[in-house]
Amino acid sequence: KNQVEQSPQSLIILEGKNCTLQCNYTVSPFSNLRWYKQDTGRGPVSLTIMTFSENTKSNGRYTATLDADTKQSSLHITASQLSDSASYICVVSSGNTPLVFGKGTRLSVIA
Amino acid sequence: EAQVTQNPRYLITVTGKKLTVTCSQNMNHEYMSWYRQDPGLGLRQIYYSMNVEVTDKGDVPEGYKVSRKEKRNFPLILESPSPNQTSLYFCASSRTSGTSGYNEQFFGPGTRLTVL
Repeated sequence: KNQVEQSPQSLIILEGKNCTLQCNYTVSPFSNLRWYKQDTGRGPVSLTIMTFSENTKSNGRYTATLDADTKQSSLHITASQLSDSASYICVVSSGNTPLVFGKGTRLSVIA
Repeated sequence: EAQVTQNPRYLITVTGKKLTVTCSQNMNHEYMSWYRQDPGLGLRQIYYSMNVEVTDKGDVPEGYKVSRKEKRNFPLILESPSPNQTSLYFCASSRTSGTSGYNEQFFGPGTRLTVL
């Protein structure tokens, strides 16, 4: 069964610190993987997308990595800011079936 | 401004009273989709549409209907709402099918529905 598992479920960090969110998937075949940021009460917004041949992609302070062999991805946030407080959702596409969503990691950045 | 709009943003209704949540996009996207989001369950797809007059069931279609009579609109219809349909609903669209390639899904702002 196609699944996307994210960890941790929730995370609290101090402003200025770095953190890494994890995404493991069993989706096959694999087309691409996206990370979305969802602010409370708002729709998700795409941060990065990676295909099979890409193993890292950056968007400002956000850096996503992909290991297609182990079917793992991570999202690293550098020098966190209060505005990074949100849910981060990993989404995997197989190209043949509807997108598979992870349940998200809830990040809280505190002063 | 390119966007997906939903109306209403908030709705409280009673069991059995038919309602429609509208969704519109101004990006000429072919693919549109409805999701519900519940605590601990993440986003789950209700219905999707690959193009005008083409709709398909997602993971949780029971109790919902959709239509795609024109490209820009994709309304979600609850014929007889029940309390278990209380949820946060998102409409999304992408250039072509959201299942492959670099087709980013653009999400609407959400509709928070409460069924009493």
